[in-house]
Amino acid sequence: EAGVVQSPRYKIIEKKQPVAFWCNPISGHNTLYWYRQNLGQGPELLIRYENEEAVDDSQLPKDRFSAERLKGVDSTLKIQPAELGDSAVYLCASSSDPVYNSPLHFGNGTRLTVT
Amino acid sequence: DAKTTQPNSMESNEEEPVHLPCNHSTISGTDYIHWYRQLPSQGPEYVIHGLTSNVNNRMASLAIAEDRKSSTLILHRATLRDAAVYYCILSSLGGTSYGKLTFGQGTILTVHP
Repeated sequence: EAGVVQSPRYKIIEKKQPVAFWCNPISGHNTLYWYRQNLGQGPELLIRYENEEAVDDSQLPKDRFSAERLKGVDSTLKIQPAELGDSAVYLCASSSDPVYNSPLHFGNGTRLTVT
Repeated sequence: DAKTTQPNSMESNEEEPVHLPCNHSTISGTDYIHWYRQLPSQGPEYVIHGLTSNVNNRMASLAIAEDRKSSTLILHRATLRDAAVYYCILSSLGGTSYGKLTFGQGTILTVHP
């Protein structure tokens, strides 16, 4: 099966600019996650979707971050405006049935550098 | 969320077994133990998970202590490709936290040729 696809792979922007990341999950996976990973740290959950509904967005900095998952498939994570501290790898993951501990499948991430 | 404690780093030689420990003394009865690993420049990859009994799959084995307060991921014959950061994570069924994986800093495994 095709894995989780993320784009772009790398992004360099100046602070205060907007940026968007795109994720295409594995076909049939209803649960989608966005994680952020700072250098040398483990990934940190930003938001989790069940189909189109964001069921856990408690860690998403809502003043500048937004996410959407239209039609319960692809998802976009946006930052506006970006700050220097947003430099990180943004990972998307999907799962078929997390209630029964189906594994999370991760993409290779988008590495964001804010200058 | 119950927390896990792992050594920061471990080293192994190629083709030797590797035992990666994880302590989770505050684990609850509904917490599953998950292991993921992350190779350089890649997203995390599922390795194995279990609840009470030891588990085996093609990648590794998971040995869970009888009191469930610790577990060990066993790589039977390490290869250079197993060099990665290994994360031990607890995830609970039910409630709003189901399927939520909270990653720690993990164990950096170095494999020597």
